[in-house]
Amino acid sequence: AQSVTQLGSHVSVSEGALVLLRCNYSSSVPPYLFWYVQYPNQGLQLLLKYTTGATLVKGINGFEAEFKKSETSFHLTKPSAHMSDAAEYFCAVSEGGNNRLAFGKGNQVVVIP
Amino acid sequence: DTGVSQNPRHKITKRGQNVTFRCDPISEHNRLYWYRQTLGQGPEFLTYFQNEAQLEKSRLLSDRFSAERPKGSFSTLEIQRTEQGDSAMYLCASRKEGGLETQYFGPGTRLLVL
Repeated sequence: AQSVTQLGSHVSVSEGALVLLRCNYSSSVPPYLFWYVQYPNQGLQLLLKYTTGATLVKGINGFEAEFKKSETSFHLTKPSAHMSDAAEYFCAVSEGGNNRLAFGKGNQVVVIP
Repeated sequence: DTGVSQNPRHKITKRGQNVTFRCDPISEHNRLYWYRQTLGQGPEFLTYFQNEAQLEKSRLLSDRFSAERPKGSFSTLEIQRTEQGDSAMYLCASRKEGGLETQYFGPGTRLLVL
């Protein structure tokens, strides 16, 4: 079965600093990879996804992620954190013919003024 | 396109009671998914529909759980004889047919079993 590992449940970053959230996956087939963001008491919103083609993927709100097959990674970055980036971030891999998503445990991002 | 909607947004119930949640997917999305999210965890897959057919159920879905999508549009998730361990956020997502399509999530229903 495919799975996702996100280390460090809580991540603190200063406003204006680099945001880096790490995601490693395991998959026996070429994966489809996703980053979702969740604000308090809300559902999940897609930030970006990798399916095929270019390995550097740009998403909403200035986020981007790079698919590295050799490292089985899909880390999420943003050059300059904003207060509005405070939220929980989930990495997910699509598995099976039904395309159900397997999620990591998430990273709670706190932005320090 | 109004997005995926879920009702109710919050539900408090006593142990042993039955509860039912509703999900209205984005129109023309023929695939519908239910997930459960407990505190501090990522969402976990529960079940999946393609049109009105329930094609897959997770081992997490005990016999007390039942889901339907009778006309291939909205879906309901019922939990019978609720237990405190059922307290969680229940998320619904929908997507179009096609391998590259994105799942769009609703706001969720937060269940608290006392």
